[in-house]
Amino acid sequence: LAKTTQPISMDSYEGQEVNITCSHNNIATNDYITWYQQFPSQGPRFIIQGYKTKVTNEVASLFIPADRKSSTLSLPRVSLSDTAVYYCLVGDGLFGGYNKLIFGAGTRLAVHP
Amino acid sequence: NAGVTQTPKFQVLKTGQSMTLQCAQDMNHEYMSWYRQDPGMGLRLIHYSVGAGITDQGEVPNGYNVSRSTTEDFPLRLLSAAPSQTSVYFCASSSSRGNSPLHFGNGTRLTVT
Repeated sequence: LAKTTQPISMDSYEGQEVNITCSHNNIATNDYITWYQQFPSQGPRFIIQGYKTKVTNEVASLFIPADRKSSTLSLPRVSLSDTAVYYCLVGDGLFGGYNKLIFGAGTRLAVHP
Repeated sequence: NAGVTQTPKFQVLKTGQSMTLQCAQDMNHEYMSWYRQDPGMGLRLIHYSVGAGITDQGEVPNGYNVSRSTTEDFPLRLLSAAPSQTSVYFCASSSSRGNSPLHFGNGTRLTVT
């Protein structure tokens, strides 16, 4: 099982760029890297997923170096509404692989005015 | 599209009582699962199902039963509630297509006294 390590908490201010790094030294060849966001009293919500290099969508960017042993979620110009817990998951998301996904404690991001 | 719907949102039980947490999805997803989340912690997998009639245990299955008679529904049964089962329960579903993300419900907050 590919375990991940990410900071427990981070603080930022409105308008800043936030980068959350996740370490996954045991990532397997078939594994993808997926990030979820969770607001209080809600279920986690998919943000972005990638396999290598860089992926960008309307919400975030995901940077993955060539060795794939880490990844960085980048949130541009955060606002107060980005205050949430962010989870980094690594796994083979193919059918039957979801039971192996491990949600750690995540990174608690607090955005201040 | 309602996505993943969980009922009830809140529930208080006395030790020894039984109840069923309901989960329904309208996305025709093959994969469904139940997680529990304790304060300040990540999500832990209780049970999962890869299709109607097929279920399997996750990381913390003791004290819980599941069944999957239809694609849409995946109820979680607490056989004899214990204070240790006080938690927030999340249901999730996903398509069987490779690396499709998990879609979560908004949770059931259960308190066992």
